[in-house]
Amino acid sequence: AQSVSQHNHHVILSEAASLELGCNYSYGGTVNLFWYVQYPGQHLQLLLKYFSGDPLVKGIKGFEAEFIKSKFSFNLRKPSVQWSDTAEYFCAVNAENQGGKLIFGQGTELSVKP
Amino acid sequence: DTGVSQNPRHKITKRGQNVTFRCDPISEHNRLYWYRQTLGQGPEFLTYFQNEAQLEKSRLLSDRFSAERPKGSFSTLEIQRTEQGDSAMYLCASSLAHLGSDPKPYGYTFGSGTRLTVV
Repeated sequence: AQSVSQHNHHVILSEAASLELGCNYSYGGTVNLFWYVQYPGQHLQLLLKYFSGDPLVKGIKGFEAEFIKSKFSFNLRKPSVQWSDTAEYFCAVNAENQGGKLIFGQGTELSVKP
Repeated sequence: DTGVSQNPRHKITKRGQNVTFRCDPISEHNRLYWYRQTLGQGPEFLTYFQNEAQLEKSRLLSDRFSAERPKGSFSTLEIQRTEQGDSAMYLCASSLAHLGSDPKPYGYTFGSGTRLTVV
Protein backbone atom coordinates (compact mmCIF):
# COMPACT_ATOMS: atom_id res chain seq x y z
CA ALA A 1 0.00 0.00 0.00
CA GLN A 2 1.13 3.52 -0.68
CA SER A 3 2.30 5.64 2.19
CA VAL A 4 3.67 9.12 2.76
CA SER A 5 6.11 9.95 5.51
CA GLN A 6 6.86 13.41 6.83
CA HIS A 7 9.95 13.31 8.95
CA ASN A 8 9.29 16.16 11.34
CA HIS A 9 6.16 16.45 13.44
CA HIS A 10 6.96 19.89 14.83
CA VAL A 11 9.52 22.40 13.64
CA ILE A 12 10.29 25.63 15.47
CA LEU A 13 12.21 28.37 13.67
CA SER A 14 13.00 32.02 14.13
CA GLU A 15 11.97 34.52 11.49
CA ALA A 16 14.36 34.68 8.53
CA ALA A 17 15.60 31.14 9.10
CA SER A 18 15.58 28.72 6.19
CA LEU A 19 13.06 25.91 6.09
CA GLU A 20 13.18 22.42 4.71
CA LEU A 21 10.43 19.91 5.41
CA GLY A 22 10.99 16.33 4.38
CA CYS A 23 8.50 14.14 2.53
CA ASN A 24 9.07 10.60 1.30
CA TYR A 25 6.57 8.33 -0.35
CA SER A 26 6.38 4.67 -1.19
CA TYR A 27 5.09 3.93 -4.67
CA GLY A 28 7.01 2.74 -7.69
CA GLY A 29 4.84 4.11 -10.47
CA THR A 30 4.02 7.53 -11.83
CA VAL A 31 2.98 9.99 -9.15
CA ASN A 32 1.62 13.48 -8.82
CA LEU A 33 2.88 15.30 -5.74
CA PHE A 34 1.37 18.07 -3.64
CA TRP A 35 2.12 20.26 -0.66
CA TYR A 36 -0.81 21.79 1.20
CA VAL A 37 -0.80 24.31 4.03
CA GLN A 38 -3.42 24.63 6.74
CA TYR A 39 -3.33 27.88 8.70
CA PRO A 40 -4.96 27.81 12.16
CA GLY A 41 -8.72 27.56 11.77
CA GLN A 42 -8.59 27.53 7.99
CA HIS A 43 -8.98 24.95 5.26
CA LEU A 44 -6.28 23.21 3.26
CA GLN A 45 -4.71 25.43 0.63
CA LEU A 46 -2.50 24.24 -2.19
CA LEU A 47 1.08 25.53 -1.93
CA LEU A 48 2.46 23.79 -4.99
CA LYS A 49 2.21 20.65 -7.05
CA TYR A 50 4.34 18.52 -9.33
CA PHE A 51 2.83 16.68 -12.27
CA SER A 52 5.75 16.39 -14.70
CA GLY A 53 8.66 18.33 -16.19
CA ASP A 54 11.12 20.40 -14.17
CA PRO A 55 11.52 18.63 -10.82
CA LEU A 56 12.04 21.97 -9.06
CA VAL A 57 8.60 23.43 -8.54
CA LYS A 58 7.86 26.94 -7.35
CA GLY A 59 4.69 27.66 -5.45
CA ILE A 60 2.97 30.50 -3.70
CA LYS A 61 4.43 32.62 -0.90
CA GLY A 62 8.04 31.87 -1.83
CA PHE A 63 7.84 28.11 -1.29
CA GLU A 64 9.47 25.60 -3.59
CA ALA A 65 9.86 21.84 -3.66
CA GLU A 66 12.15 19.43 -5.40
CA PHE A 67 11.10 16.04 -6.70
CA ILE A 68 13.92 13.51 -6.52
CA LYS A 69 12.58 10.38 -8.13
CA SER A 70 15.50 8.17 -7.10
CA LYS A 71 14.92 9.06 -3.46
CA PHE A 72 11.11 9.01 -3.62
CA SER A 73 11.23 12.44 -2.04
CA PHE A 74 9.47 15.77 -2.46
CA ASN A 75 10.94 18.14 0.11
CA LEU A 76 9.51 21.59 0.72
CA ARG A 77 11.81 24.58 1.11
CA LYS A 78 11.68 28.28 1.80
CA PRO A 79 14.83 30.40 2.13
CA SER A 80 13.49 32.79 4.76
CA VAL A 81 10.39 32.09 6.84
CA GLN A 82 8.05 34.68 8.29
CA TRP A 83 5.87 34.59 11.38
CA SER A 84 2.86 34.31 9.04
CA ASP A 85 4.15 30.94 7.82
CA THR A 86 3.13 29.40 11.14
CA ALA A 87 0.81 26.59 10.05
CA GLU A 88 0.58 22.87 9.47
CA TYR A 89 2.05 21.52 6.25
CA PHE A 90 0.92 18.35 4.52
CA CYS A 91 2.60 16.42 1.76
CA ALA A 92 0.30 14.32 -0.45
CA VAL A 93 0.79 11.82 -3.23
CA ASN A 94 -1.52 10.72 -6.01
CA ALA A 95 -0.66 7.55 -7.88
CA GLU A 96 -1.67 8.20 -11.43
CA ASN A 97 -3.66 4.98 -11.80
CA GLN A 98 -5.74 5.73 -8.70
CA GLY A 99 -8.30 8.21 -9.88
CA GLY A 100 -7.14 11.34 -8.09
CA LYS A 101 -7.13 9.88 -4.59
CA LEU A 102 -4.56 11.64 -2.39
CA ILE A 103 -2.56 9.90 0.28
CA PHE A 104 -1.43 12.40 2.89
CA GLY A 105 1.44 12.42 5.30
CA GLN A 106 0.73 13.04 8.96
CA GLY A 107 1.69 16.69 8.70
CA THR A 108 4.40 18.95 10.08
CA GLU A 109 3.51 21.75 12.41
CA LEU A 110 5.68 24.80 11.80
CA SER A 111 5.99 27.46 14.47
CA VAL A 112 7.87 30.62 13.54
CA LYS A 113 9.00 32.85 16.39
CA PRO A 114 8.94 36.58 15.69
CA ASP B 1 -15.35 30.37 -9.06
CA THR B 2 -16.75 30.19 -5.55
CA GLY B 3 -14.59 27.26 -4.51
CA VAL B 4 -15.79 24.10 -2.77
CA SER B 5 -18.61 24.76 -0.35
CA GLN B 6 -19.50 22.51 2.58
CA ASN B 7 -22.48 22.68 4.90
CA PRO B 8 -22.91 22.75 7.78
CA ARG B 9 -19.60 24.06 9.14
CA HIS B 10 -20.21 22.44 12.51
CA LYS B 11 -22.51 19.67 13.66
CA ILE B 12 -22.99 18.41 17.20
CA THR B 13 -25.07 15.28 17.49
CA LYS B 14 -25.93 12.69 20.06
CA ARG B 15 -24.57 9.20 19.71
CA GLY B 16 -26.92 7.04 17.69
CA GLN B 17 -28.35 9.87 15.60
CA ASN B 18 -28.00 10.15 11.85
CA VAL B 19 -26.25 13.12 10.25
CA THR B 20 -25.93 14.30 6.66
CA PHE B 21 -23.36 16.69 5.21
CA ARG B 22 -23.46 18.44 1.86
CA CYS B 23 -20.66 19.38 -0.53
CA ASP B 24 -20.95 21.67 -3.54
CA PRO B 25 -17.86 21.29 -5.74
CA ILE B 26 -16.41 23.72 -8.24
CA SER B 27 -18.96 23.62 -11.04
CA GLU B 28 -16.75 22.43 -13.88
CA HIS B 29 -15.06 19.71 -11.83
CA ASN B 30 -16.08 16.15 -12.66
CA ARG B 31 -14.46 14.46 -9.65
CA LEU B 32 -15.54 14.84 -6.04
CA TYR B 33 -13.78 13.37 -3.03
CA TRP B 34 -14.56 12.91 0.65
CA TYR B 35 -11.85 12.76 3.29
CA ARG B 36 -11.81 12.58 7.08
CA GLN B 37 -9.30 14.39 9.25
CA THR B 38 -8.76 13.84 12.96
CA LEU B 39 -6.67 16.02 15.22
CA GLY B 40 -2.97 15.84 14.51
CA GLN B 41 -3.37 13.67 11.42
CA GLY B 42 -3.43 14.20 7.71
CA PRO B 43 -6.70 13.75 5.83
CA GLU B 44 -7.69 10.15 5.07
CA PHE B 45 -9.45 9.26 1.86
CA LEU B 46 -13.02 7.96 2.21
CA THR B 47 -14.55 7.84 -1.25
CA TYR B 48 -14.71 9.57 -4.62
CA PHE B 49 -17.09 10.15 -7.50
CA GLN B 50 -16.49 10.68 -11.16
CA ASN B 51 -19.58 12.55 -12.28
CA GLU B 52 -22.40 10.60 -10.57
CA ALA B 53 -20.56 7.27 -10.32
CA GLN B 54 -18.97 6.29 -7.02
CA LEU B 55 -15.74 4.69 -8.15
CA GLU B 56 -13.90 3.86 -4.95
CA LYS B 57 -14.67 3.46 -1.26
CA SER B 58 -12.06 3.16 1.45
CA ARG B 59 -12.19 0.41 4.05
CA LEU B 60 -12.62 3.31 6.50
CA LEU B 61 -16.11 3.78 5.09
CA SER B 62 -18.14 1.34 7.17
CA ASP B 63 -21.66 0.35 6.22
CA ARG B 64 -22.95 3.16 8.45
CA PHE B 65 -21.54 5.64 5.93
CA SER B 66 -23.11 6.35 2.57
CA ALA B 67 -22.30 8.96 -0.03
CA GLU B 68 -24.23 10.05 -3.08
CA ARG B 69 -23.78 12.41 -5.97
CA PRO B 70 -27.11 11.95 -7.74
CA LYS B 71 -26.78 14.42 -10.61
CA GLY B 72 -23.04 14.66 -10.80
CA SER B 73 -23.07 18.02 -9.07
CA PHE B 74 -23.38 18.27 -5.27
CA SER B 75 -22.75 15.33 -2.99
CA THR B 76 -24.04 14.21 0.40
CA LEU B 77 -22.32 12.10 3.02
CA GLU B 78 -24.61 10.42 5.55
CA ILE B 79 -23.52 8.73 8.75
CA GLN B 80 -26.10 6.53 10.40
CA ARG B 81 -26.10 5.61 14.09
CA THR B 82 -23.19 7.92 14.87
CA GLU B 83 -20.51 6.84 17.32
CA GLN B 84 -18.06 8.94 19.30
CA GLY B 85 -15.28 7.66 17.06
CA ASP B 86 -16.94 9.39 14.12
CA SER B 87 -16.02 12.78 15.60
CA ALA B 88 -13.72 14.39 13.04
CA MET B 89 -13.50 17.02 10.34
CA TYR B 90 -15.09 15.78 7.11
CA LEU B 91 -13.51 17.35 4.06
CA CYS B 92 -14.74 17.51 0.53
CA ALA B 93 -12.56 18.22 -2.48
CA SER B 94 -13.05 18.39 -6.22
CA SER B 95 -10.85 18.22 -9.30
CA LEU B 96 -11.02 18.12 -13.06
CA ALA B 97 -9.84 15.05 -14.96
CA HIS B 98 -9.62 14.93 -18.74
CA LEU B 99 -10.99 11.42 -18.94
CA GLY B 100 -9.24 9.01 -21.27
CA SER B 101 -6.52 11.41 -22.32
CA ASP B 102 -4.91 12.83 -19.22
CA PRO B 103 -5.39 11.27 -15.80
CA LYS B 104 -3.88 14.13 -13.81
CA PRO B 105 -6.13 15.74 -11.18
CA TYR B 106 -6.24 19.41 -12.14
CA GLY B 107 -7.40 22.14 -9.83
CA TYR B 108 -7.58 19.93 -6.73
CA THR B 109 -9.40 22.14 -4.22
CA PHE B 110 -10.61 21.44 -0.70
CA GLY B 111 -13.59 22.90 1.09
CA SER B 112 -13.51 24.25 4.63
CA GLY B 113 -14.92 21.04 6.03
CA THR B 114 -17.72 20.03 8.37
CA ARG B 115 -16.62 19.46 11.94
CA LEU B 116 -18.66 16.67 13.52
CA THR B 117 -18.79 16.21 17.27
CA VAL B 118 -20.64 13.17 18.60
CA VAL B 119 -21.55 13.44 22.29
